[in-house]
Amino acid sequence: EVQLLESGGGLVQPWGSLRLSCAASGFTFKNYAMSWVRQAPGKGLEWVSSIGGGRDDSYYADSVKGRFTISRDISKNTLYLQMNSLRAEDTAIYFCAKDPNSGWSGYFDSWGQGTLVGVSS
Amino acid sequence: QLVLTQSPSASASLGASVKLTCTLSSGHSSYDIAWHQQLPEKGPRYLMKLNSDGSHTKGDGIPDRFSGSSSGAERYLTISSLQSEDEADYYCQTWGSGIAVFGGGTQLTVL
Repeated sequence: EVQLLESGGGLVQPWGSLRLSCAASGFTFKNYAMSWVRQAPGKGLEWVSSIGGGRDDSYYADSVKGRFTISRDISKNTLYLQMNSLRAEDTAIYFCAKDPNSGWSGYFDSWGQGTLVGVSS
Repeated sequence: QLVLTQSPSASASLGASVKLTCTLSSGHSSYDIAWHQQLPEKGPRYLMKLNSDGSHTKGDGIPDRFSGSSSGAERYLTISSLQSEDEADYYCQTWGSGIAVFGGGTQLTVL
């Protein structure tokens, strides 16, 4: 069974930094592209970033480009999202999601339960 | 610009069927999409990938009551024999040119 467990959320001041983690199990992590999707309070889903499986290709939404960096540690079966220069509008639940393929397909066939990030002074 | 449009809300009676619509923006009518369900206070759940020709691939454990279909720029999710646990938000999602896009979601109420 695929399991994705996010952690690292919390309250941070504007312009601060935070690193989210997603521990993956139940599948061969290195073989699949992975993504982050977020949901602001009371709002819909917003794609944030994706990374190919075993590759260097990464993709970002315009709203986070230049501030967020997605990465993965295959030895730890863990996906990361380094978030810098955080803004109030980055406040959201951040979900980790698995792609059905190695190359980024663009959609998600498994999801985690999310970790909450709050940006406020 | 790649945009998905969904009605904000829908409702149907217990045991009935409901058809949710997701509309692709102009020039993108050939795009495949995915449907996801989000129960209150939960993470999303993948329902299916729906191709432009109407064929679809459902996620593991998704009941036969859930089906998808396509017509032009419209993508549909039909839920038959509605149950109380189907009350949720439903999101369509597509992708292209290095980005992924979600529709605004439809909040389904089971009466």
